[in-house]
Amino acid sequence: LAKTTQPISMDSYEGQEVNITCSHNNIATNDYITWYQQFPSQGPRFIIQGYKTKVTNEVASLFIPADRKSSTLSLPRVSLSDTAVYYCLVGVPIKAAGNKLTFGGGTRVLVKP
Amino acid sequence: NAGVMQNPRHLVRRRGQEARLRCSPMKGHSHVYWYRQLPEEGLKFMVYLQKENIIDESGMPKERFSAEFPKEGPSILRIQQVVRGDSAAYFCASSPASGYNEQFFGPGTRLTVL
Repeated sequence: LAKTTQPISMDSYEGQEVNITCSHNNIATNDYITWYQQFPSQGPRFIIQGYKTKVTNEVASLFIPADRKSSTLSLPRVSLSDTAVYYCLVGVPIKAAGNKLTFGGGTRVLVKP
Repeated sequence: NAGVMQNPRHLVRRRGQEARLRCSPMKGHSHVYWYRQLPEEGLKFMVYLQKENIIDESGMPKERFSAEFPKEGPSILRIQQVVRGDSAAYFCASSPASGYNEQFFGPGTRLTVL
């Protein structure tokens, strides 16, 4: 399994864009990059997944350079409710049944007023 | 469509007692996963089950821990003779039958061993 490295914590302010970079130097050809969000006292929630280039949904954007050795989760115009831990996972795509997820330490994002 | 349900949300046990954690997957989901999260850490995979079958238990301690997902009823994670080190949040996730692996997590059960 590819190991991921991401910052332990980040602070931001309401209305700003937050970018969290995850390093995964040993990513395999078949691996996808997935981000989960976890609020205090709740289970993680899927945010976004991508393989290469850029993926965007209603919540976030995911930027993946050509070498795929890193990826950046971008949260536009954060609000206080975006305060959470964000996990970068590398592995099988979501469209593949029955695989365990491997979580690292995550990045604690604190959004201040 | 109700999400993944876990109960109890909080469970307190004394050392040596048994803990039973229940998970009802989302409707139509037949894959269940259990994860454990220690304070300030990420989730660690424990076991993956389908109806009546354990598919992968590579993350589950060999002793005292067991899991089942019967044909009828919720999935159960059982911890016998609990010790203080078992104190953690236990999350259950479910996913649909096949071809889709986005896992939907429940709210967790917080186990405290006194």
